[in-house]
Amino acid sequence: EVQLVESGGGLVQSGGSLRLSCAASGFTFSSYWMTWVRQAPGKGLEWVANIKQEGSEKYYVDSVKGRFTISRDNAKNSLYLQMNSLRAEDTAVYYCARDWGWASLDVWGQGTTVTVSS
Amino acid sequence: DIQMTQSPSSLSASVGDRVTITCRASQNFSSYLNWYQQKPGKAPNLLIYAAFSLQSGVPSRFSGSRSGTDFTLTISSLQPEDFATYYCQQSYSSPYTFGQGTKLEIK
Repeated sequence: EVQLVESGGGLVQSGGSLRLSCAASGFTFSSYWMTWVRQAPGKGLEWVANIKQEGSEKYYVDSVKGRFTISRDNAKNSLYLQMNSLRAEDTAVYYCARDWGWASLDVWGQGTTVTVSS
Repeated sequence: DIQMTQSPSSLSASVGDRVTITCRASQNFSSYLNWYQQKPGKAPNLLIYAAFSLQSGVPSRFSGSRSGTDFTLTISSLQPEDFATYYCQQSYSSPYTFGQGTKLEIK
């Protein structure tokens, strides 16, 4: 079964750091771009970052540039999001997703919740 | 960044109705446009990719179309399980922005 499972969310103070993980199974992880998407409480979806198969290309939304770092370990079938200098507006459910045809997102994890307290 | 303006933001309809949701892009690009359905407390689910292509396993009552910078999701005959929130997303240019969402409710 193709599956993505996020972990690492929690409650953190403003200015703190958190590292999210996404464990992939059931497909050849190293063959796909991977993406993080977030959703603030009661709000819509926001694309956060993505990373190429071997990690050589990474892209970010402006609001997280310089604070968040996306990375991957293909040997461990894992995707990561290192989040530093966290702000209240980073509070959200964070989803990892697989980039498929035409960069659509065809497989999603269940999400992990990040709460930043001010 | 490419902005995606989705309308309407909410919509009330009945089972059996035909429904259309539109996303207007701030600039023209090729058909890198995707549609997702999200139910409360769940991750989004891919419905349509590349503006027109139905994702495997998605019922054929869902379809996508394009006219210039306007992209449309049509549900031909609403079923009870279709009441959810729908999002468009452009995947042409990073950041791959989403529309604001359309909440489809039962009339």
